[in-house]
Amino acid sequence: DQQVKQNSPSLSVQEGRISILNCDYTNSMFDYFLWYKKYPAEGPTFLISISSIKDKNEDGRFTVFLNKSAKHLSLHIVPSQPGDSAVYFCAASEETDSWGKLQFGAGTQVVVTP
Amino acid sequence: NAGVTQTPKFQVLKTGQSMTLQCAQDMNHNSMYWYRQDPGMGLRLIYYSASEGTTDKGEVPNGYNVSRLNKREFSLRLESAAPSQTSVYFCASSAPGPEYFGPGTRLLVL
Repeated sequence: DQQVKQNSPSLSVQEGRISILNCDYTNSMFDYFLWYKKYPAEGPTFLISISSIKDKNEDGRFTVFLNKSAKHLSLHIVPSQPGDSAVYFCAASEETDSWGKLQFGAGTQVVVTP
Repeated sequence: NAGVTQTPKFQVLKTGQSMTLQCAQDMNHNSMYWYRQDPGMGLRLIYYSASEGTTDKGEVPNGYNVSRLNKREFSLRLESAAPSQTSVYFCASSAPGPEYFGPGTRLLVL
């Protein structure tokens, strides 16, 4: 039973516009949430994270929002660039110190068009 | 600083053959992990090692064994490969903090 769900397998967005990726989870014990980006034939790379004590974390063009009551988080990319075309994975962890043993969503393929 | 390295990059096995996937990290991380990625499934944790000398099962450990050889190296062994183990395998490490992933090993079991 998948505890982290990304219901949109793909997303197409124009260059310069906002990309919004969504993620839902079922386990109320999750304390840390992360987004990873993956290019073909490469390993996932860490993008941004948020802990359950916050509702927003921003890093440059990337912002993650967390709504604990709805068990929902989202990743906003503004403005979208061609290099953002990749698969984005949402991940969550119960660990409070090691951030280990991540539960991953199935991923969302983002395509940024000129 | 190579980060997390994995060997081999690609392997074809016949059903019943055995093999060991190698992983090494040079970031002095305490924890190491093995995941598999299948289409439509995201990444699933096979085994992890919270620190040198310890290993524990993850979500999908059946058919696999691991060895934490030292702080740097964490290997994954398939004793008798099955077609269901066809997948892309990723090794990762963490400090604590976010996990850093290797480039993956693509395994095909015929």
